[in-house]
Amino acid sequence: EDKVVQSPLSLVVHEGDTVTLNCSYEVTNFRSLLWYKQEKKAPTFLFMLTSSGIEKKSGRLSSILDKKELFSILNITATQTGDSAVYLCAAERQGGSEKLVFGKGTKLTVNP
Amino acid sequence: DVKVTQSSRYLVKRTGEKVFLECVQDMDHENMFWYRQDPGLGLRLIYFSYDVKMKEKGDIPEGYSVSREKKERFSLILESASTNQTSMYLCASSPPGSYGYTFGSGTRLTVV
Repeated sequence: EDKVVQSPLSLVVHEGDTVTLNCSYEVTNFRSLLWYKQEKKAPTFLFMLTSSGIEKKSGRLSSILDKKELFSILNITATQTGDSAVYLCAAERQGGSEKLVFGKGTKLTVNP
Repeated sequence: DVKVTQSSRYLVKRTGEKVFLECVQDMDHENMFWYRQDPGLGLRLIYFSYDVKMKEKGDIPEGYSVSREKKERFSLILESASTNQTSMYLCASSPPGSYGYTFGSGTRLTVV
């Protein structure tokens, strides 16, 4: 059975801290790994990773994929209160109907 | 700006009622999905559709049905609502071969 496991499930930090969110996956015919940020409503896309070892960056956020060890991390540096959200990791299979398998999410709270 | 629109943000229904959740996308996407999101359980796939009039069961289809009469619209139907269907429902769409979804803002359904 395909599964995606995120850790930790929740995290509380202070502004300015750096955080690392983890995502491991076991998915048949893996194609890509995606990260989403969910505040009060719709998840919004952050990164898509398909190749091992290549870091994707967007401002203070970065992510990397290890296809040998089957995991990905999402780093957020110099956290701000606006980073408070649930971060979702999802794995996509090849050759199917583009269904995503989601982890349960990591709830990040950044306190001032 | 591309959009996935869910007709209701909040909905309260009585046990036994037939409930329709509507989702419309303006991106001409082939694939559309319905998920429910519950604390501690993450996003779970209910049904998806990869073409008009086509549908496939996801991981938790029991108690639900769907309708896709037009490409842009994907409806989720609760045939006889029950309290255990109280949840956040998220619709998403993607083009074929896509690496990610565009989500709607969600419908928070409460069944009393």
